Amino acid sequence: QITLKESGPTLVKPTQTLTLTCTFSGFSLSTSGVGVGWIRQPPGKALEWLAVVFWDDDERLSPSLKNRLTIAKDTSKNQVVISMTNMDPLDTATYYCAHRYRTNWYTYWGQGTLVTVSS
Amino acid sequence: DIQMTQFPSSVSASVGDRVTITCRASEGIGTWLAWYQQKPGKAPDLLIYATSVLQSGVPSRFSGSGSGTDFTLTISSLQPEDFATYYCQQSIDFPLTFGGGTKVHIK
Repeated sequence: QITLKESGPTLVKPTQTLTLTCTFSGFSLSTSGVGVGWIRQPPGKALEWLAVVFWDDDERLSPSLKNRLTIAKDTSKNQVVISMTNMDPLDTATYYCAHRYRTNWYTYWGQGTLVTVSS
Repeated sequence: DIQMTQFPSSVSASVGDRVTITCRASEGIGTWLAWYQQKPGKAPDLLIYATSVLQSGVPSRFSGSGSGTDFTLTISSLQPEDFATYYCQQSIDFPLTFGGGTKVHIK
């Protein structure tokens, strides 16, 4: 059974760096074809794809956020970490991590974590 | 980036109605399209992938069609549990992009 869960701060101040961890089980990020992505959703708004890291250490980042994002995997811990610098109130959103296998749609999602950016 | 446009943004329907949601890509994406269902306070659930393939466990009243730039999600007979927001997503190229969502609510 594949599960994912996001963890991290629920409140960050403007200009701070947000670091979220996705801890997963039921699959390995060393398996060919596997990837873990991050998607966010501002309150009442649509989904926005942020980044993905693949089994072979390849990664893709949203071009609009590329300068602010980093993503990394720790295969031994079954974790993926995403960091976003210079947080702004517009970055307030629920952040989801999700699993993909061979294709770029996401079959399994974490429950999401709401991050509020406010001073 | 490939822009995904969904319409309508909301639809009022009754149980038993046939509902069709349209998703248009700004350029051709073949059949690299997925649909998700999202209920309030929950993560999205993958409904359909590769335009028309139902994810395991998804009822057969859901169907998807299209290719290139124009796609549809159809619910043949709306059930109470189908009231939700639906999103399309192109998966052919990065950055992956989602449509703006279509909220299906009770008439």
